[in-house]
Amino acid sequence: EADIYQTPRYLVIGTGKKITLECSQTMGHDKMYWYQQDPGMELHLIHYSYGVNSTEKGDLSSESTVSRIRTEHFPLTLESARPSHTSQYLCASSESEVEETQYFGPGTRLLVL
Amino acid sequence: GNSVTQMEGPVTLSEEAFLTINCTYTATGYPSLFWYVQYPGEGLQLLLKATKADDKGSNKGFEATYRKETTSFHLEKGSVQVSDSAVYFCALSESYSGGGADGLTFGKGTHLIIQP
Repeated sequence: EADIYQTPRYLVIGTGKKITLECSQTMGHDKMYWYQQDPGMELHLIHYSYGVNSTEKGDLSSESTVSRIRTEHFPLTLESARPSHTSQYLCASSESEVEETQYFGPGTRLLVL
Repeated sequence: GNSVTQMEGPVTLSEEAFLTINCTYTATGYPSLFWYVQYPGEGLQLLLKATKADDKGSNKGFEATYRKETTSFHLEKGSVQVSDSAVYFCALSESYSGGGADGLTFGKGTHLIIQP
C-alpha cells in the first residue's frame, strides 16, 4: 500500500488567487512527480524532482512552480490561478532511479472560476 | 521520443466477457512497461508491470506480456466484473544511462465499462 497524500482533494477558487497544492509521502522516496490530467483523461508530466533541492520541468509547460525542501514534501504553487488551470493534479513518487514504479496520490481536482 | 498508443474508448462489455485492451509503444531503448488503473475519483494504481522482453505481468486476473518484436503490451482478462469498470492507462519508463527515468510516458487511457 502506497503512502502518498494530497490535500486538498477538491478546491474551487476565484481567478487571481494564489494556491498551493500539497503532496507528501512517507516512503522515503527520492523521486517525486506532478502530473496534470485533463478532462479527456490524458496525463502530462509538469514537474519532477530527483531529491531535496532538485526540481525540473516536465514535458508540458506549466505556469506552476514546485519546491523540494524536504524529501517527503513536494508542494506545487500557482501564483495567480486562471480558468485555464482547471484540471486534476496528480502527485507521484518512486523509490530510486532503478525502481521505476511510481506510486500515485489520490489527486487534487482544481476548479478556477 | 517515446510514445504509447492504446485503443480509444469507451469499451463496453458485459459481465464475464473476455477483455483485451491494446497497447503499443515506441521507445529508443529498453523500457519497462506498466498498466495503471484509475477508479472514479481516485489516483492511479499500479495494476501490473514487466521490465524485459517476454516477461508477463499479472495481477487480479489481468495479464499482459511484453512483446519486443511487436512493441506491444496488450492487457487481457478472461472474465471481467462490474468492479473492473475504470480507466486503464498503458505506460512506459525508460532509464537513461547516467540518470534516472524522467517520469512515465502514458497512453491516453481507455475507459472500460462493464454492464451487469
